[in-house]
Amino acid sequence: AQSVTQLGSHVSVSEGALVLLRCNYSSSVPPYLFWYVQYPNQGLQLLLKYTTGATLVKGINGFEAEFKKSETSFHLTKPSAHMSDAAEYFCAVSSSGGSYIPTFGRGTSLIVHP
Amino acid sequence: DAGVTQSPTHLIKTRGQQVTLRCSPKSGHDTVSWYQQALGQGPQFIFQYYEEEERQRGNFPDRFSGHQFPNYSSELNVNALLLGDSALYLCASSPSWDIGSYEQYFGPGTRLTVT
Repeated sequence: AQSVTQLGSHVSVSEGALVLLRCNYSSSVPPYLFWYVQYPNQGLQLLLKYTTGATLVKGINGFEAEFKKSETSFHLTKPSAHMSDAAEYFCAVSSSGGSYIPTFGRGTSLIVHP
Repeated sequence: DAGVTQSPTHLIKTRGQQVTLRCSPKSGHDTVSWYQQALGQGPQFIFQYYEEEERQRGNFPDRFSGHQFPNYSSELNVNALLLGDSALYLCASSPSWDIGSYEQYFGPGTRLTVT
C-alpha cells in the first residue's frame, strides 16, 4: 500500500521569498516520487520526479525536491517565488515494482503575495 | 503538437443517466490513463488502456468502463450516474504503460456535474 500526505492545504508566501511545500509518503517498496502543478482550468504538468540515483532532483521553473528516505519525505522548494507560481501543487508516489498506479496527495494551494 | 485533448469541456447530467467522455492522446503516445479529481482532492486513478485493453484499474466500480481505439484515442463511460460522480475527469497519455517511470501528459479535463 502507498499513501501521500501533503502538509498544509494552503501555503502563502511573499514574492521573492522561499517556497517550501511539504510531502511525506509511505510505500512498502522503493518509491517513484513526483510533483505536479495545476493551474486553474488546466490539467496537471510534471514539475519533477525521482526514480533512482541522485536524491536532489531539479525540475522546471526553478523548482527542486530532495528525496529523504530516512524521513520518507520529498519536499518541494524554490528559492524565490514569482507571482506566476501561484497554483495547486500535487505530490504523488508510485511503486518501482509491479503496479505503477500513482497515488496523489490532496494538493497544496500556493498563494503568492506582491 | 496539440497535446492531450478532451471533450467535452463541461457536461451536466441527471442522476441515473449515462455519460461518455473522450480523449485524444499526445502524438506518439500509445497509453491512456483516466483519473477522477473531486473538488479539493488530488486525482484518483480510474484505469489505464494500452493496446486497446484495460491494463490496470483503480478502486472504482464496474459502472466505470472504457475503451481504446486503434488510433489510441479513448473513451470513459460512466453508467447509472450518482451525485458523487461529479468531478473533473482527467485523461493522461504516456509513451509507455510504465506510468511510474515515464512522464504522463494531462489534458485539461472534462468537468462533469450530476444533478
